[in-house]
Amino acid sequence: DAGVIQSPRHEVTEMGQEVTLRCKPISGHDYLFWYRQTMMRGLELLIYFNNNVPIDDSGMPEDRFSAKMPNASFSTLKIQPSEPRDSAVYFCASKPQGADTQYFGPGTRLTVL
Amino acid sequence: KQEVTQIPAALSVPEGENLVLNCSFTDSAIYNLQWFRQDPGKGLTSLLLIQSSQREQTSGRLNASLDKSSGRSTLYIAASQPGDSATYLCAGDSWGKLQFGAGTQVVVTP
Repeated sequence: DAGVIQSPRHEVTEMGQEVTLRCKPISGHDYLFWYRQTMMRGLELLIYFNNNVPIDDSGMPEDRFSAKMPNASFSTLKIQPSEPRDSAVYFCASKPQGADTQYFGPGTRLTVL
Repeated sequence: KQEVTQIPAALSVPEGENLVLNCSFTDSAIYNLQWFRQDPGKGLTSLLLIQSSQREQTSGRLNASLDKSSGRSTLYIAASQPGDSATYLCAGDSWGKLQFGAGTQVVVTP
């Protein structure tokens, strides 16, 4: 069975451009999480969804960040406009209802020049 | 807010030695404590999960303990191998949200 799928794996963009990161959770998983990992701040939770509904977005750094989950098999994290300090690895994870273990995707490495 | 600290930040051992990785957390009201492995350029892989009511969990050469009263968890890796080289992260689960430590980077030399 395929794991969590993220695209693109690498993204290089210029400051001010819009960036869209994509995630396909494991089929049947009801929860989806977006994380960001940097050297300075480590791994931080940005937002998570349950049954496609955003439950907690308190980790979203500012209004430039937005996330959507239009259906159970797809989610996006958008940054508009992007800034150099957004450079990081962004991970998506999913888990089934009632389970504690999260399954992580391979991440998207974002570089904003 | 939960704060999770991992010591040491980096560790290098010769093959065959036992590894001891430490994790401390500030909020004892955690639901569970999880240990993950991260290889360079890859996502996180779950290793062990200890429920708040448990004291330890074992999987093969890995053993993790949990002491909620002191806010500590320890991951033991017996008879280390070069393939154990990776970054190990612990995370406290509070209300369904994971708070991660900065990780311990482990290098096992042949």
